[in-house]
Amino acid sequence: GQNIDQPTEMTATEGAIVQINCTYQTSGFNGLFWYQQHAGEAPTFLSYNVLDGLEEKGRFSSFLSRSKGYSYLLLKELQMKDSASYLCAPRNQAGTALIFGKGTTLSVSS
Amino acid sequence: DSGVTQTPKHLITATGQRVTLRCSPRSGDLSVYWYQQSLDQGLQFLIQYYNGEERAKGNILERFSAQQFPDLHSELNLSSLELGDSALYFCASSLGGGRTDTQYFGPGTRLTVL
Repeated sequence: GQNIDQPTEMTATEGAIVQINCTYQTSGFNGLFWYQQHAGEAPTFLSYNVLDGLEEKGRFSSFLSRSKGYSYLLLKELQMKDSASYLCAPRNQAGTALIFGKGTTLSVSS
Repeated sequence: DSGVTQTPKHLITATGQRVTLRCSPRSGDLSVYWYQQSLDQGLQFLIQYYNGEERAKGNILERFSAQQFPDLHSELNLSSLELGDSALYFCASSLGGGRTDTQYFGPGTRLTVL
């Protein structure tokens, strides 16, 4: 079966660092994507990991451990505009479609 | 702006009706994916087309169908609509159909069934 687990909600303050964890179980594995989605808007691509380790992209970094079925998204120097849902989406080996969890809603306050 | 366009932006209709949602992929992308997002379910994959051919099927109801045309735009047809079909419908596109391809999402169509 397929299962993705992320915290439902997180809160943080401007300028802080926050880590959003994701654990997953899929039928095979073909990489993991992180997307950001503001309410009522389209998901926008943040990062892609297929090998173990950390991928850094500006204020955002994403980490993957395939053996543990675990990933996290690290957001640094938080800004108010980072308030959004963050979706962890592994891709199983069989197909090319993404499997989305329900996402983590992050609220950033001043 | 991802480069993926979807029309209409909003659609309000009644139960039992049929609607068509339209998607134009990013220039050069051959794959189109359809997803449904309802409040309690998150994003659910419906169907994928690659260069005009159906490539993969997800949780798509028999009342729903899709196609991709020679110019690569795609349409999702929803028929015999029920209240539970109210949701955001997103189209995404990617360069090919490869497993490492990044999918870019359109702005979505919000469907309300009354």
